Amino acid sequence: QSALTQPPSASGSPGQSVTISCTGTSSDVGGYNYVSWYQQHPGKAPKLMIYEVSKRPSGVPDRFSGSKSGNTASLTVSGLQAEDEADYYCSSYAGSNNFRGVFGGGTKLTVL
Amino acid sequence: EVQLVESGGGLVQPGGSLRLSCAASGFTFSSYSMNWVRQAPGKGLEWVSYISSSSSTIYYADSVKGRFTISRDNAKNSLYLQMNSLRDEDTAVYYCAREAGTPLAGDYWGQGTLVTVSS
Repeated sequence: QSALTQPPSASGSPGQSVTISCTGTSSDVGGYNYVSWYQQHPGKAPKLMIYEVSKRPSGVPDRFSGSKSGNTASLTVSGLQAEDEADYYCSSYAGSNNFRGVFGGGTKLTVL
Repeated sequence: EVQLVESGGGLVQPGGSLRLSCAASGFTFSSYSMNWVRQAPGKGLEWVSYISSSSSTIYYADSVKGRFTISRDNAKNSLYLQMNSLRDEDTAVYYCAREAGTPLAGDYWGQGTLVTVSS
């Protein structure tokens, strides 16, 4: 049950695009199209931004997009806005072998 | 409006026990699988436990297996986490999250309840 690997930090200027990676294995990210991404502001509960690799829940701006290639998933935030500054976590289903899934270590996104 | 409200957190000594509750409202609780997820101070998210809508399937993270027990009462729209043999490393904010029909995709989360294990 090893955590997925995310870069600890990412940054971009307002209006720019930034991509955050999430690397796992063939047993989790690479094996299933069940990758989710969460946004968490300080002191708040996580908010679902992307599910099933690239789907957006209702209300999430289309500036947020997800993709996957092999064992690595990515979250891209386009047209960066100040309110996008937050921690971002990926998660992945890891099969039903008495285990539900795993989160990434998180990435702090700074809007310069 | 969907709401999840956790309660039961607090300060407990190592080796002690605590029972967390999560009260659900605004949706048909019995139709959804639920997860407990925790976050140690200044750290990332960690999946803790899963329970299916009918309680027929239950999973635990290795870090809590044998010490924590997840359960639910669909008649009371409530989710529980019984935590025994608590350790310092169990100190965290504990969130309950509704699973949105996709494994580990929590579309609604509670505000969290803080559990502090310390002597």
